[in-house]
Amino acid sequence: DTAVSQTPKYLVTQMGNDKSIKCEQNLGHDTMYWYKQDSKKFLKIMFSYNNKELIINETVPNRFSPKSPDKAHLNLHINSLELGDSAVYFCASSQLAGYGNTIYFGEGSWLTVV
Amino acid sequence: RKEVEQDPGPFNVPEGATVAFNCTYSNSASQSFFWYRQDCRKEPKLLMSVYSSGNEDGRFTAQLNRASQYISLLIRDSKLSDSATYLCVVILPGGSYIPTFGRGTSLIVHP
Repeated sequence: DTAVSQTPKYLVTQMGNDKSIKCEQNLGHDTMYWYKQDSKKFLKIMFSYNNKELIINETVPNRFSPKSPDKAHLNLHINSLELGDSAVYFCASSQLAGYGNTIYFGEGSWLTVV
Repeated sequence: RKEVEQDPGPFNVPEGATVAFNCTYSNSASQSFFWYRQDCRKEPKLLMSVYSSGNEDGRFTAQLNRASQYISLLIRDSKLSDSATYLCVVILPGGSYIPTFGRGTSLIVHP
């Protein structure tokens, strides 16, 4: 079983649409993350939840809204998609939001906005 | 100055070579450091943690220099399979312990 799974893996959509990416982890971790990796391969943190509570909310447009129904799930909803949103979005989890904790990544969701 | 900086490379080396990457960080209060590996079109995966005293895992050696605020990764006897992007990760201090990634250093090992 995949430890951190996210769906869909590939998503091609038009500008202005709304889309969601789902993420689930079966590692029993308390902390989950969303990272964005752009065309220059820079991996930047967007959000982090610890036990369903938002703890990191970096400078991200309001069009991006995370939702954590329980500590094993962290979904990402994007409204009014723009061309610049095209990127790979990685979900990840770690035991705790603290020092020394390994971060486990999902396989990524390739979003292309046309 | 960026919080975590790496030379993007690419480092192009022959099999069997020794290659070293550095990663500098700006926040002197940072406590945890890691090296991750990312293959093309794949997710990042932990390569090794970096301990204050330095640590070794087979052909890989990681070191931390707090005075100069950098960590290093040394790969000995490079293999073709070592070709990947190596990402430096620093856990920034603060209430939320933000794991911050460097841009990555690309390594290409050729026959």
